[in-house]
Amino acid sequence: GQQVMQIPQYQHVQEGEDFTTYCNSSTTLSNIQWYKQRPGGHPVFLIQLVKSGEVKKQKRLTFQFGEAKKNSSLHITATQTTDVGTYFCADFSGGYNKLIFGAGTRLAVHP
Amino acid sequence: EADIYQTPRYLVIGTGKKITLECSQTMGHDKMYWYQQDPGMELHLIHYSYGVNSTEKGDLSSESTVSRIRTEHFPLTLESARPSHTSQYLCASSERYRGADTQYFGPGTRLTVL
Repeated sequence: GQQVMQIPQYQHVQEGEDFTTYCNSSTTLSNIQWYKQRPGGHPVFLIQLVKSGEVKKQKRLTFQFGEAKKNSSLHITATQTTDVGTYFCADFSGGYNKLIFGAGTRLAVHP
Repeated sequence: EADIYQTPRYLVIGTGKKITLECSQTMGHDKMYWYQQDPGMELHLIHYSYGVNSTEKGDLSSESTVSRIRTEHFPLTLESARPSHTSQYLCASSERYRGADTQYFGPGTRLTVL
């Protein structure tokens, strides 16, 4: 079935460093969504990308959808301790009519 | 913030007990979901529903069952709890946004089976 792969699985950074997580698929992605889950919390919707090559920004977060719609990335500039958590990408599969989540990238930020 | 509620938030129970985890939402969403997740790890879909009287098993095999008698309510039941059921259970509902379903998650129930 359809799979969405996220890398890296874990990332440790010093506060102020940049961070990037990647979401890849062997098949064309339909609509990519990104969620953030704080430690002890629940996933919260961040953004959705639907167009090839789309780039969206939310303050220090930059989301990108690949030109071929087979990958997406989330980049955080100058990480802060509030960025700690697990970031999930998810593809909405029209065929399955549900979201397919990646395994997530756990981000730790050291002050 | 989404209006989706889960009770209890924490539950410690002995092996063999029957438990029901409650989930309700006030947004009128037709689609609802149950996920099992170890802290900070992958989300495993165990059940979903597309509306009243509709329930389907998810990608991860689960010994739990669900029902959907009312749109706003989607309870999950374990007939006989075991230590292997210890995990966090997240309920979600979704609405269509720009051609795809956006999910709203409840706060979760942390279940510990002794």
